[in-house]
Amino acid sequence: AQSVTQPDIHITVSEGASLELRCNYSYGATPYLFWYVQSPGQGLQLLLKYFSGDTLVQGIKGFEAEFKRSQSSFNLRKPSVHWSDAAEYFCAVGVIQAGTALIFGKGTTLSVSS
Amino acid sequence: EPEVTQTPSHQVTQMGQEVILRCVPISNHLYFYWYRQILGQKVEFLVSFYNNEISEKSEIFDDQFSVERPDGSNFTLKIRSTKLEDSAMYFCASRKGQGSYNEQFFGPGTRLTVL
Repeated sequence: AQSVTQPDIHITVSEGASLELRCNYSYGATPYLFWYVQSPGQGLQLLLKYFSGDTLVQGIKGFEAEFKRSQSSFNLRKPSVHWSDAAEYFCAVGVIQAGTALIFGKGTTLSVSS
Repeated sequence: EPEVTQTPSHQVTQMGQEVILRCVPISNHLYFYWYRQILGQKVEFLVSFYNNEISEKSEIFDDQFSVERPDGSNFTLKIRSTKLEDSAMYFCASRKGQGSYNEQFFGPGTRLTVL
C-alpha cells in the first residue's frame, strides 16, 4: 500500500535561514507528488507538484522540491524563510489512475523565529 | 481565478443528527473528493466521485456517509447520524481529470463539531 512519511513533526527556523522539509513515499511505480501548505484556519494550498521530467520543480512563494527516485524522497526547500511561511506543510502522493485519492503525510509544522 | 467553495464554514450539531456539507467544485472539473482532518491529525481521504457515481471510498466512508451531486454545480456530503468522532475539518476537492493526471484543488473546509 502507498504511504507517505514526513519524519519531522515540528521544525523551527530563524527568519532568513534556509529550510528543508523531508518527505519519503512508498509506492511501486513513479508517483505523482505534491506539497500543500495549510495556514491556521485555512484550507490546503498547492505549493508545487511533480509529475514527470525535470526532478527539480519550482513552486509558488519561492519553494522548490527535488524528486529523488533512488531515495523515494521529495523534499521541500526554500533558501530564505519569511515569517509568513509559518504553517503546516503536507506532502502527498497521487496514484497513476484517474480519480484516485491523494495520500497525505502527517504534516510538518513550521515555526519561524525572529 | 476559479476556486472550490464550501458552506458552511463551521457547523455545530448534536450527536445523532444528520448534517449536510456543501461544496461547489470548479466548474469545468470532473472529479470530486471529500477528505477529512481530525484536529491534529493528517488529512484522510473519504470518497471520490466521477460521472455521478462513487469511484473510490475509504474504510472511513461507511453507511453513515453518502455523497450526491444534486445539480450541475453542488457536491454534498451527508452524515446520517453524527457521532462525536465525526468532529473534524471536512475538505472538498476537485480536479479537471481530462487527459493526464492533474492536481486537486481544495476548498477552505467546513469545521464540523459534534456535541
